[in-house]
Amino acid sequence: DIQMTQSPSSLSASVGDRVTITCRASQDINYDLAWFQQKPGKAPKSLIYAASSLQSGVPSKFSGSGSGTDFTLTISSLQPEDFATYYCQQYNTYPFTFGPGTKVDIK
Amino acid sequence: EVQMLESGGGLVQPGGSLRLSCAASGFTFSSYAMNWVRQAPGKGLEWVSAISASGLSTDYADSVKGRFTISRDNSKSILYLQINSLRTDDTAVYFCAKREVYGHFDYWGQGTLVTVSS
Repeated sequence: DIQMTQSPSSLSASVGDRVTITCRASQDINYDLAWFQQKPGKAPKSLIYAASSLQSGVPSKFSGSGSGTDFTLTISSLQPEDFATYYCQQYNTYPFTFGPGTKVDIK
Repeated sequence: EVQMLESGGGLVQPGGSLRLSCAASGFTFSSYAMNWVRQAPGKGLEWVSAISASGLSTDYADSVKGRFTISRDNSKSILYLQINSLRTDDTAVYFCAKREVYGHFDYWGQGTLVTVSS
């Protein structure tokens, strides 16, 4: 199985900060990487797919980059509604594994 | 508007069974592969199972293989997950997720809670 790791596991940031989360796959997954945002008690919401494509309706402050094994999610200017947990997921090979998540909270 | 509504969760004893359903609307259900993903309380996301658009091809996580069965009724736009031989570590919120063609999970249901406890 492809193992996904994320760093950091949590971070504290202020409104307006630029935030970057990294995701690493244990083997080459090309561009088959998605990012999701999840708030407590809610379903995950798709943000980014194909490593860098923005899901329809998602604001452009979210961006993704990377290929192969190393990927990043950047939030350009953190807003109150962005405090949540973020997960990466590879969909290159079954089982479609998720990263352990990065919790972003208020400093 | 794409909508998916899960149902069928509840409290069940170890060794018991449940059938989860996911009623979909707002898209051509028969054209898309579907998945189940679960989340144990306070934990991360775990992919559980997938089924092709036609229903002819299925995949399972090793943790559920042989106990869970995914199926679909394209005439009713409903996805199912039959879960048998339940264990306490199956306790989780179960989400259904639509998969874009050969791509990512673009829409998710709100989830249904399965609690396995004696």
